[in-house]
Amino acid sequence: DGGITQSPKYLFRKEGQNVTLSCEQNLNHDAMYWYRQDPGQGLRLIYYSQIVNDFQKGDIAEGYSVSREKKESFPLTVTSAQKNPTAFYLCASTDGGAANTGELFFGEGSRLTVL
Amino acid sequence: GNSVTQMEGPVTLSEEAFLTINCTYTATGYPSLFWYVQYPGEGLQLLLKATKADDKGSNKGFEATYRKETTSFHLEKGSVQVSDSAVYFCALRGFQKLVFGTGTRLLVSP
Repeated sequence: DGGITQSPKYLFRKEGQNVTLSCEQNLNHDAMYWYRQDPGQGLRLIYYSQIVNDFQKGDIAEGYSVSREKKESFPLTVTSAQKNPTAFYLCASTDGGAANTGELFFGEGSRLTVL
Repeated sequence: GNSVTQMEGPVTLSEEAFLTINCTYTATGYPSLFWYVQYPGEGLQLLLKATKADDKGSNKGFEATYRKETTSFHLEKGSVQVSDSAVYFCALRGFQKLVFGTGTRLLVSP
């Protein structure tokens, strides 16, 4: 089945550690996105990538890093510089073609807890 | 800039009640509009969308009409079920990305 796979589903981290969240898609989509979800704040965009080897900062990029070495993969690293990393992280993708109306396809999310 | 405003929740209804969740937007031009639904512990799923003014999106008994005169895209359902309990997000397509509202939690009791 085509879709987006995020792993791990749950992750615990000690303060000062970097962690990497995986996002893989087999939808052949050009564009991929990382969102952070906190209670009462909706979804906030961290980073996005329209094509391989290129990515842009979203609204809350500080303390995060990404790479886009392959079309199907867009891992997110939460660094020790992120002051409040405990959150639910969602990866999404979309077809970047001219007919695209903007529908995003989401993974099931990764819940990160800092101990 | 682009923004979406949703009514705050939770919205608490009895089964078979009528549902309205308000959504208004601020944007340049006429962006595509979306409603996404998130069930507990899961990612978001597209519920319905509308790409131009006066379009009506519909799916699973839910409807929303793109109203440019009131810059609104309110979500409605005539008879909710317990299984509709979830968080609903309104969104618009900006330049290269979607902008989401804060979400509205719906709780439906038997």
